[in-house]
Amino acid sequence: EDQVTQSPEALRLQEGESSSLNCSYTVSGLRGLFWYRQDPGKGPEFLFTLYSAGEEKEKERLKATLTKKESFLHITAPKPEDSATYLCAVQASGGGADGLTFGKGTHLIIQP
Amino acid sequence: DAGVTQSPTHLIKTRGQHVTLRCSPISGHKSVSWYQQVLGQGPQFIFQYYEKEERGRGNFPDRFSARQFPNYSSELNVNALLLGDSALYLCASSLTGAVEQYFGPGTRLTVT
Repeated sequence: EDQVTQSPEALRLQEGESSSLNCSYTVSGLRGLFWYRQDPGKGPEFLFTLYSAGEEKEKERLKATLTKKESFLHITAPKPEDSATYLCAVQASGGGADGLTFGKGTHLIIQP
Repeated sequence: DAGVTQSPTHLIKTRGQHVTLRCSPISGHKSVSWYQQVLGQGPQFIFQYYEKEERGRGNFPDRFSARQFPNYSSELNVNALLLGDSALYLCASSLTGAVEQYFGPGTRLTVT
């Protein structure tokens, strides 16, 4: 069974204080690892897809990295508008459905 | 371009009733997936459809059913509603299902 564990569950940072969110995963074969941002009461917003170990992607203050067992979302000099829940999900390779398996998310608060 | 749209936005039903939720994917996307998100948890995979065929389902009871229409829009039906079905129901569309999935705003279902 595919599993995704995110840590920490919640993180409070001061504006400008950089940090990293962790996503550990267990999957029979990884087709892709996805990061989403979700604001309260809204649908998840796509951020990144990572396909293979060693891959990195960046967008503004966010950088996602991938190893064979985990992924990190690095947030550099965050601003209050970066406050949200960040979700990690995996998609398994092989036959069958391409449904995503999500972690519970990291609730990030950036204080001015 | 319009994103994924879902209707209705909010819905209140009584235990034992039936509900139908609707989703229109991004233009050109042929795959639709449905997820259930309970407060404080990550989304959980319910169904995936591609080219009007069910491609897979998650661990949900037979009270949950779905279909995809020739225009690639989709309906999720839930029979004999239980209090535990109260959640945010998310629809996601993708080109084929095996790539990035883009989420709609969700339908908030409350069962009383």
